[in-house]
Amino acid sequence: NAGVMQNPRHLVRRRGQEARLRCSPMKGHSHVYWYRQLPEEGLKFMVYLQKENIIDESGMPKERFSAEFPKEGPSILRIQQVVRGDSAAYFCASSPGGGRTEAFFGQGTRLTVV
Amino acid sequence: AQSVTQLDSQVPVFEEAPVELRCNYSSSVSVYLFWYVQYPNQGLQLLLKYLSGSTLVESINGFEAEFNKSQTSFHLRKPSVHISDTAEYFCAVSRPSVDYKLSFGAGTTVTVRA
Repeated sequence: NAGVMQNPRHLVRRRGQEARLRCSPMKGHSHVYWYRQLPEEGLKFMVYLQKENIIDESGMPKERFSAEFPKEGPSILRIQQVVRGDSAAYFCASSPGGGRTEAFFGQGTRLTVV
Repeated sequence: AQSVTQLDSQVPVFEEAPVELRCNYSSSVSVYLFWYVQYPNQGLQLLLKYLSGSTLVESINGFEAEFNKSQTSFHLRKPSVHISDTAEYFCAVSRPSVDYKLSFGAGTTVTVRA
């Protein structure tokens, strides 16, 4: 049973380009969470999705960021017109259900904006 | 809202010496508590968790943590560290009666020297 898979592991984008980060949850998991880790900081919650639904996006920046989790395929975190401040590690976690169930983390995508 | 404070950002320690990583939290409701470990260029791995029951929880690799409700703490300890314990350690809390989000501390980097 493969764990949470994120790709790419490393992503370099120039300012103004788009970044697409992918997350395939563990088999049987229908809940996905995205967290961002800025340098010298802990992880911050961004968004919580179930299949085809955004449940909570209270941690997402108001502009340029979006997330989806389609019926088929991985969850995508999309950052449009990236800026240097978007450079961070982005982690995805999945769980079989929200609330009391444990979430398992992927290895993260390290985004560098140059 | 809940918050998590890890009092030490860097902890250097010699091999076979004991280590303690401090974590304090604030929350107006009951919480679940977690310690995650992040090895260099890796994702987060769950080290141990407190959900209910015995306040002392142990991991398979010799770490233990004790939930102290009166002091709102969940300190992590290991009586004898190895070089391979060099990593960053994150304390996290969730509020199962409220939502599913994890709130993380800023992390403690443990460097074990021979």
